[in-house]
Amino acid sequence: AQKVTQAQTEISVVEKEDVTLDCVYETRDTTYYLFWYKQPPSGELVFLIRRNSFDEQNEISGRYSWNFQKSTSSFNFTITASQVVDSAVYFCALSEEISNFGNEKLTFGTGTRLTIIP
Amino acid sequence: KAGVTQTPRYLIKTRGQQVTLSCSPISGHRSVSWYQQTPGQGLQFLFEYFSETQRNKGNFPGRFSGRQFSNSRSEMNVSTLELGDSALYLCASSSGGRSGNTIYFGEGSWLTVV
Repeated sequence: AQKVTQAQTEISVVEKEDVTLDCVYETRDTTYYLFWYKQPPSGELVFLIRRNSFDEQNEISGRYSWNFQKSTSSFNFTITASQVVDSAVYFCALSEEISNFGNEKLTFGTGTRLTIIP
Repeated sequence: KAGVTQTPRYLIKTRGQQVTLSCSPISGHRSVSWYQQTPGQGLQFLFEYFSETQRNKGNFPGRFSGRQFSNSRSEMNVSTLELGDSALYLCASSSGGRSGNTIYFGEGSWLTVV
């Protein structure tokens, strides 16, 4: 069965510090997809990134970067020079490729609440 | 391009009643999924519809049901509401078809059962 673990329940950092959110996943599939979402207090899950299991290249988008390591089954998320607007709950999620028919079921981690202190 | 739209945003129901939540996916998307979010259980998958067919179902009792219309809009229904059904219900849409599509979420419907 698939599983996503976000061991950090809450993190607080001072503005402008860098912070890394950890995500460890379990799956028996060789083809799978990893996601990160941001959830502000309004409730909406804001899509940040999708990565497939065959693409281990790290990705950078502005102040955000992601480190995907299949050897350790991890997909960590780093925010550089954090800002108050980054305060939110962040979720890591996994979906598996069941068949060519498709599968959009996401298994989520429990989330990490990030607080940026001004 | 409009995002995923959910209605109503907030609602309060009495135990034993039923509720219907609505979701309009992003234009062109054919897959709609529903999730329940509670403080105790986190984000849990309810079901997914693609081209009006339920393609996948989570581990929820039969009181939770859904459907998808020909225009890809979806509704979910919860009958005989229980206090534990109080949650944020999130709808997500994607283009569907093969796996691995980007999945976008709406703002959710906050349901309180009293």
